[in-house]
Amino acid sequence: DAGVIQSPRHEVTEMGQEVTLRCKPISGHNSLFWYRQTMMRGLELLIYFNNNVPIDDSGMPEDRFSAKMPNASFSTLKIQPSEPRDSAVYFCASSLGAANTEAFFGQGTRLTVV
Amino acid sequence: GQSLEQPSEVTAVEGAIVQINCTYQTSGFYGLSWYQQHDGGAPTFLSYNALDGLEETGRFSSFLSRSDSYGYLLLQELQMKDSASYFCAVRDHGGATNKLIFGTGTLLAVQP
Repeated sequence: DAGVIQSPRHEVTEMGQEVTLRCKPISGHNSLFWYRQTMMRGLELLIYFNNNVPIDDSGMPEDRFSAKMPNASFSTLKIQPSEPRDSAVYFCASSLGAANTEAFFGQGTRLTVV
Repeated sequence: GQSLEQPSEVTAVEGAIVQINCTYQTSGFYGLSWYQQHDGGAPTFLSYNALDGLEETGRFSSFLSRSDSYGYLLLQELQMKDSASYFCAVRDHGGATNKLIFGTGTLLAVQP
């Protein structure tokens, strides 16, 4: 398996634009996580899916952020409209089982909003 | 709420031993995990403790005390390549969410 695949690896966009980040989890994994990492706030959990269903979105910072998982092999995180403070590295991770703490991370998307 | 606290930075020399502590507060708890992240890379899984005691994996060991809500990662025979950030993590099943949350991270600098 190729591991968790995220795209794009880098994204530079202007304030106000819509940004869509994509993730393909490891085949067979039923838990998917979106994280945001910054120097100030560390690795924050944004949203967690189990069996394609959003279980906990309490970490989504505001209504500008939305996430979907239409099927077991694809998820998106959308920011609309984007703001400079959204600049961060966004990671997607997947794991097998509801209690498994071994999560596999993608290489991340480095987002810069100017 | 949930929180996992770690020291922000640790510095050590090659060949030495270093311990990175983690204290946690969660509403539900299965076990404690550790992840390593090199600068610019993705976090990678190192170890997991579900029960009290020490788990050893090569140069790395991890310890858990559930009664103290405390654990640590022990790195022996430090090498320059061990310079990275280290995170503790828990699968918090309080409220039946089972979300995976991470500590604040410890930046380890290994010096020659």
